[in-house]
Amino acid sequence: GAVVSQHPSWVICKSGTSVKIECRSLDFQATTMFWYRQFPKQSLMLMATSNEGSKATYEQGVEKDKFLINHASLTLSTLTVTSAHPEDSSFYICSARDDKYPTYEQYFGPGTRLTVT
Amino acid sequence: LAKTTQPISMDSYEGQEVNITCSHNNIATNDYITWYQQFPSQGPRFIIQGYKTKVTNEVASLFIPADRKSSTLSLPRVSLSDTAVYYCLVGDIGSADRGSTLGRLYFGRGTQLTVWP
Repeated sequence: GAVVSQHPSWVICKSGTSVKIECRSLDFQATTMFWYRQFPKQSLMLMATSNEGSKATYEQGVEKDKFLINHASLTLSTLTVTSAHPEDSSFYICSARDDKYPTYEQYFGPGTRLTVT
Repeated sequence: LAKTTQPISMDSYEGQEVNITCSHNNIATNDYITWYQQFPSQGPRFIIQGYKTKVTNEVASLFIPADRKSSTLSLPRVSLSDTAVYYCLVGDIGSADRGSTLGRLYFGRGTQLTVWP
């Protein structure tokens, strides 16, 4: 099956620093990728839609200047958490949508655990 | 966006068949129904997707009545390893058009399935 990877799988950073998370579709092209955040014992919350070669579309309430998204190729999207604070500590998950008609199935990455101290 | 309602939790025993029903009264014509499974600290895993009637794959069956206002995920002969959160999602899977935000998935609370020995 299709595989989506995320790097790093976990990261600890100090408050005020920036952290970049990579999401890669390993064996398929993904024009569209999505970024989610999940707090403990809660459901996934969609943060933004990332489209290759264009600006990301952010969900209401998500600060675009804090969560920078770049989708520079058909297999890579990055999420940069800028000036991280402890409240940004969460599990960040990406998904990549296969461009293959007709199902456009989404495959999820394994997630990145971010801890801000 | 069609909202989904699922039971918060379900319990079963090994070897039993489990049926999880999801209500989506406001499902739109272009919407598909997709079920995901998530284990703690992992990204969701695709289980099955359907539009109408019945869909079956190697792990589950999905039953969708004619009015499409609900769907039932059926897991045959569950094992301890099926203990997980199961999410029912409804949405337009979109197209391959660049810049499209179709295909966004909004996760509800999901159903925590616990399988006992």
